[in-house]
Amino acid sequence: QKEVEQDPGPLSVPEGAIVSLNCTYSNSAFQYFMWYRQYSRKGPELLMYTYSSGNKEDGRFTAQVDKSSKYISLFIRDSQPSDSATYLCAMLKGTGFQKLVFGTGTRLLVSP
Amino acid sequence: EAQVTQNPRYLITVTGKKLTVTCSQNMNHEYMSWYRQDPGLGLRQIYYSMNVEVTDKGDVPEGYKVSRKEKRNFPLILESPSPNQTSLYFCASSLDSSREAFFGQGTRLTVV
Repeated sequence: QKEVEQDPGPLSVPEGAIVSLNCTYSNSAFQYFMWYRQYSRKGPELLMYTYSSGNKEDGRFTAQVDKSSKYISLFIRDSQPSDSATYLCAMLKGTGFQKLVFGTGTRLLVSP
Repeated sequence: EAQVTQNPRYLITVTGKKLTVTCSQNMNHEYMSWYRQDPGLGLRQIYYSMNVEVTDKGDVPEGYKVSRKEKRNFPLILESPSPNQTSLYFCASSLDSSREAFFGQGTRLTVV
């Protein structure tokens, strides 16, 4: 079983829809949670960074962490065609030496 | 502008011909790493470096070498490339291993 699971998609939505992207994880030691956005032929770009449980909002994006369920989400409001990309979740334990653990990414397609 | 720069962006080579992919960051980050990204497998870490002259294997190190002679540079060396090393490669850096990573734009390598 992978430490981090993410549905590969693609997830197709019309412009203006609310998008929900999710990851589940198995290791309760994860404390820091990130979402990266990766456009085709580009490197991953950090979108959201949260610590422990709760919500964090940045413009149209909201990151949500539910540590009791080992489940994280990224919500995109009023989705735009420019949001079409692959979204990767990533996690860190936050203490001592470690490395980022990534989900495999969900491809999102927002049609005009 | 804070960035991670990789070169070249695209490379086609033949089996067995040694090559080097360069990576440079201007953020004074201590931690740098190399990933390969393959469909369905996500990002897998090849090698990482905690600081100058300190490097270690990641999850898929076979067939690769790295060096860290200066803090800003972290080249990836393929001594004898093989077709199974055809992939999309990313260099990343972060303040330390417990912080979010910043990625380069990627190098698409094809070995024929």
